[in-house]
Amino acid sequence: GAGVSQSPSNKVTEKGKDVELRCDPISGHTALYWYRQSLGQGLEFLIYFQGNSAPDKSGLPSDRFSAERTGGSVSTLTIQRTQQEDSAVYLCASSWGTANQPQHFGDGTRLSIL
Amino acid sequence: SQQGEEDPQALSIQEGENATMNCSYKTSINNLQWYRQNSGRGLVHLILIRSNEREKHSGRLRVTLDTSKKSSSLLITASRAADTASYFCATDNYGQNFVFGPGTRLSVLP
Repeated sequence: GAGVSQSPSNKVTEKGKDVELRCDPISGHTALYWYRQSLGQGLEFLIYFQGNSAPDKSGLPSDRFSAERTGGSVSTLTIQRTQQEDSAVYLCASSWGTANQPQHFGDGTRLSIL
Repeated sequence: SQQGEEDPQALSIQEGENATMNCSYKTSINNLQWYRQNSGRGLVHLILIRSNEREKHSGRLRVTLDTSKKSSSLLITASRAADTASYFCATDNYGQNFVFGPGTRLSVLP
């Protein structure tokens, strides 16, 4: 079956522009996660959606970052007024949302801020 | 702060040898998971071990968990060049967000 899909796979933009990153989770998965991974580093948690509950936004690094999940499915991560330090790979994952379930990852969006 | 910390940061072995990676964490967990990441790709789930389990096997993978020491190990036996990747542990803190360690970069030389 289809896995987690992220688009675009690569995005190059100028400093100060806004960007939108999209994640299509696996159908039926109620939990959706966004992470940021800098080159050669581990994953930094950004935000977590679970069903209709209020999202856990505790990992968002600044108010320039926001995310929404429409209809409990597709999610969009928006970064406003991008800075060079926002350059990273943004990974999305989804899971069934119940206890002891693995996360399924997309291949990420590689964001480069010039 | 990081919940999971893998050790070593990098590991280079010959094909056919065993590879052992360790993970330490700080707080109580519901389960601990190991993931693999090939260059330029997303993470792939390898194995999940619950807090009440001590050892788990999957093919050439063996994972142990010692909750008293707050540590886990991942053993890959008879390694292959295709095992070259980064390996991450992640802790599931009772329904809160997962916390990933910085990873171990494994290189298996042919």
